[in-house]
Amino acid sequence: DGGITQSPKYLFRKEGQNVTLSCEQNLNHDAMYWYRQDPGQGLRLIYYSQIVNDFQKGDIAEGYSVSREKKESFPLTVTSAQKNPTAFYLCASSISSSTGSGYGYTFGSGTRLTVV
Amino acid sequence: GQNIDQPTEMTATEGAIVQINCTYQTSGFNGLFWYQQHAGEAPTFLSYNVLDGLEEKGRFSSFLSRSKGYSYLLLKELQMKDSASYLCAVRSDYKLSFGAGTTVTVRA
Repeated sequence: DGGITQSPKYLFRKEGQNVTLSCEQNLNHDAMYWYRQDPGQGLRLIYYSQIVNDFQKGDIAEGYSVSREKKESFPLTVTSAQKNPTAFYLCASSISSSTGSGYGYTFGSGTRLTVV
Repeated sequence: GQNIDQPTEMTATEGAIVQINCTYQTSGFNGLFWYQQHAGEAPTFLSYNVLDGLEEKGRFSSFLSRSKGYSYLLLKELQMKDSASYLCAVRSDYKLSFGAGTTVTVRA
């Protein structure tokens, strides 16, 4: 069955460490996205990629980095520069980012990151 | 910038109807989506509107007025499993922007 896999489900990070969150999809989707969700807040866009080897900053990209070397994979690195990284991170994909599609996003099950 | 507003919480009784409103002011518009999210889980797609009017899907309906920047999600015949957060999202500039979500609690 096609879908998006995020790993790990729970991640603990010490202050000053970089950590990488994995996101893999087998839906043959062109576009992929990373969102952060904090309690009582909506999803905020970190980075997105419309095509392999290209990506753009979202609304809260500071302290994060991504790569898109393969269509299926869009890993997110939370660097030590991110001052408040504890949050629920969601990866999503869509057929394309084209404007006319009624297809929304397919989301992964999320990674809960906690700084200890 | 994007501004998407929806109520924080709503409570209703099992079997009743609840309407969740969403107002938006965005730099562009290419469709409005509603998602359901249970605590600690990923959002799941409920509905999509790009033209004005009502879209009905079983117990769930969604309405859009582009001139008013307004949408609502109507949940009928509420069930306990409908207790969740409901997210309004607007697509513009090739990406979705989300409201903070409305937590719906269904009481027996």
